[in-house]
Amino acid sequence: QQNVQQSPESLIVPEGARTSLNCTFSDSASQYFWWYRQHSGKAPKALMSIFSNGEKEEGRFTIHLNKASLHFSLHIRDSQPSDSALYLCAVDTGNYKYVFGAGTRLKVIA
Amino acid sequence: EAAVTQSPRNKVAVTGGKVTLSCNQTNNHNNMYWYRQDTGHGLRLIHYSYGAGSTEKGDIPDGYKASRPSQENFSLILELATPSQTSVYFCASGARLGGEDTQYFGPGTRLLVL
Repeated sequence: QQNVQQSPESLIVPEGARTSLNCTFSDSASQYFWWYRQHSGKAPKALMSIFSNGEKEEGRFTIHLNKASLHFSLHIRDSQPSDSALYLCAVDTGNYKYVFGAGTRLKVIA
Repeated sequence: EAAVTQSPRNKVAVTGGKVTLSCNQTNNHNNMYWYRQDTGHGLRLIHYSYGAGSTEKGDIPDGYKASRPSQENFSLILELATPSQTSVYFCASGARLGGEDTQYFGPGTRLLVL
């Protein structure tokens, strides 16, 4: 059974800061890794994904994946108040199924 | 943009009553999912489907049934609702296309069981 843990549970950062969110998983056979963002009262929405070890950058967002250490992370450069949301990581368990972490609640203060 | 809709958006039910949550997608995705979201637990998978006529048990299926009568529609059924099923329920559709495997979520249904 895949076990996905996120840290920290919550985070408050000033506008313009670099923010780092972490996700650990237990099944080294997992192949697909996602970050979803959920603004208050809204549906989760896919943010970024990575499928192989290393780094992927899209605008202000960067994902790092290290399968050997069972860890991937999301880094936000120049954090904005509009980035305030619940961030959920998701790891595949095969057969198009995913296990989600409990989430990190981010608040960016102007 | 992929479109997933859910109905009702809010529901109050009585303990022991039957509740049906409906989901419709216009993405023509094969896969559909039902999750519940509770504080401290993230999204937990209840049932999912690979296409019309198929339903599979997720990680927390007890007390829930699912039905996929067509490509577009996927329902979650609570035959005998209990207060522990009070939650926000999200439906999603997804497909693995060109290496991408995005799930598109509906707006959610807030269910209160009294």
